[in-house]
Amino acid sequence: DGGITQSPKYLFRKEGQNVTLSCEQNLNHDAMYWYRQDPGQGLRLIYYSQIVNDFQKGDIAEGYSVSREKKESFPLTVTSAQKNPTAFYLCATSAGNSPLHFGNGTRLTVT
Amino acid sequence: DQQVKQNSPSLSVQEGRISILNCDYTNSMFDYFLWYKKYPAEGPTFLISISSIKDKNEDGRFTVFLNKSAKHLSLHIVPSQPGDSAVYFCAAIGSGAGGTSYGKLTFGQGTILTVHP
Repeated sequence: DGGITQSPKYLFRKEGQNVTLSCEQNLNHDAMYWYRQDPGQGLRLIYYSQIVNDFQKGDIAEGYSVSREKKESFPLTVTSAQKNPTAFYLCATSAGNSPLHFGNGTRLTVT
Repeated sequence: DQQVKQNSPSLSVQEGRISILNCDYTNSMFDYFLWYKKYPAEGPTFLISISSIKDKNEDGRFTVFLNKSAKHLSLHIVPSQPGDSAVYFCAAIGSGAGGTSYGKLTFGQGTILTVHP
């Protein structure tokens, strides 16, 4: 989606390494979110940010960290503490009462 | 604890027929429900939503029905088209969660819909 850019599309890392997933948006939305999707499971919320310099843990925040230094950017770091990091990661934004608007995701594989 | 459940992992339908995707929820605080459609290697896209004050919402070929007493909702697609083949996620959010909290959705596991020509 042109409004939300997640890069790279595919990412490979060795176990024990931290990795940062990028999410940039030009929709001027205040809120940004990180979700994770695993096969046969719904999307689960990792972290979210409603405003610059503020963020909250979602349902599965352990092993992840985020920052929100700019309105346009909400990078997610998958640390070595995350036990099962291989997954499809989705960044999303929202404004007011509008439904979530998703990026195209990053598939992370850790071996 | 799976608060939103889509018990059918997959559904296969002939082109032109009706597709019915089902979703059940357990949290009585949920009062707004959404359906998202997802193609492989892409992010989900919003399809249709319904508030708990309604029991039906229609948008073109897509209709969502809500049965609050049964804690059940369904998405009807009529007529189904091959381009509708995708994964469909049901999602819900609780009372009082307005504004940016509409991002804190609880999702079901998804149902893979295949529409055959």
